[in-house]
Amino acid sequence: GQQLNQSPQSMFIQEGEDVSMNCTSSSIFNTWLWYKQDPGEGPVLLIALYKAGELTSNGRLTAQFGITRKDSFLNISASIPSDVGIYFCADTGGSEKLVFGKGTKLTVNP
Amino acid sequence: DTGVSQNPRHKITKRGQNVTFRCDPISEHNRLYWYRQTLGQGPEFLTYFQNEAQLEKSRLLSDRFSAERPKGSFSTLEIQRTEQGDSAMYLCASSPPWFEVKYTGELFFGEGSRLTVL
Repeated sequence: GQQLNQSPQSMFIQEGEDVSMNCTSSSIFNTWLWYKQDPGEGPVLLIALYKAGELTSNGRLTAQFGITRKDSFLNISASIPSDVGIYFCADTGGSEKLVFGKGTKLTVNP
Repeated sequence: DTGVSQNPRHKITKRGQNVTFRCDPISEHNRLYWYRQTLGQGPEFLTYFQNEAQLEKSRLLSDRFSAERPKGSFSTLEIQRTEQGDSAMYLCASSPPWFEVKYTGELFFGEGSRLTVL
């Protein structure tokens, strides 16, 4: 089955810094989805990407669908303490369910 | 609160006991999913329902696991003869029909039921 590789596994940053994380796949994707999971909660959709090269923003978050259709990145600008959590990339893999990466755990120091 | 509701939130049990988790989806959603999440991993798909029909089961869903959605509303996930390896967070999610979801990718997750098997 498809594999989603996320990097880095974890990040420790100071409040106000920008963050970048990415996700790569062994196969071509038709969508890239970025979810965030707060501690003790279920994941919540942040951004969805549908076309190669697409760049989409949601507030301080920006995500891009790679031209090769095998990668995507998520940037967070001017991080704040509530950005703490685990960020997952996901895709349907052509099926009717979502497949998730292992996540990037973000810690923001005030 | 009209989100996805799961209970119990936490369950501690001894190895060999049976446990059951319940999920109440968003009322107008006809799709319901169960995922399992262990520490340091992303959610792993277990099974999903469209209305009352169970359409797909993962190989992760051994014969000790059974999921039902008898009236197409709430769902239960039962684990029989629990093992320590079953310790995980069990997440439920719901969504509208897939022809809507495939254009958004959005599943609505509950807060999860954390299982600890001693």
